[in-house]
Amino acid sequence: DTAVSQTPKYLVTQMGNDKSIKCEQNLGHDTMYWYKQDSKKFLKIMFSYNNKELIINETVPNRFSPKSPDKAHLNLHINSLELGDSAVYFCASSQVQGKGVNTEAFFGQGTRLTVV
Amino acid sequence: RKEVEQDPGPFNVPEGATVAFNCTYSNSASQSFFWYRQDCRKEPKLLMSVYSSGNEDGRFTAQLNRASQYISLLIRDSKLSDSATYLCVVNPFNQAGTALIFGKGTTLSVSS
Repeated sequence: DTAVSQTPKYLVTQMGNDKSIKCEQNLGHDTMYWYKQDSKKFLKIMFSYNNKELIINETVPNRFSPKSPDKAHLNLHINSLELGDSAVYFCASSQVQGKGVNTEAFFGQGTRLTVV
Repeated sequence: RKEVEQDPGPFNVPEGATVAFNCTYSNSASQSFFWYRQDCRKEPKLLMSVYSSGNEDGRFTAQLNRASQYISLLIRDSKLSDSATYLCVVNPFNQAGTALIFGKGTTLSVSS
């Protein structure tokens, strides 16, 4: 079974559309993330949720809205898509150890978003 | 200073070579450190955690120098299959939910 799964794997859409990416983890982790990897391959944190609570919300346009219905799911909804949103979006999860330190993160296979 | 900084490379080495990657981080309170590997068009995967005492896993050795805020990865006897991007990763805060911060990665190409 896949530990962190996200759908769809590929998403091609027109500017102005609204789209969602879904993510699920079956590892029992407390923390889930969304990362964006741009054309220069830099992985940048977008959001972090711990036990369904938003912890990190980096400087991301408010067209991006994460939703965590439960600990195992973190979805990403994007409104009014723009050309610059084209990137690979990775979902990840990790577990909190003692003293609040997160273990390594496990990543989903990524969603390659292309806005045309 | 960037949070996590790496030499992007590329490092082009022949099979059997030894290659070392370095990484520096800016937050002296950082708690945990990792090296990840990312193959082309794939997700990042954990290669190894980095401990203060240093650790070794087969051909791979990772070192941490907290005083210099410096992390290294040594790969001995390089294989063709080692060709990938190696990402230095730091957990900068001692708080639940804080995210791993990734360097931009160092590209390794091993040739026969």
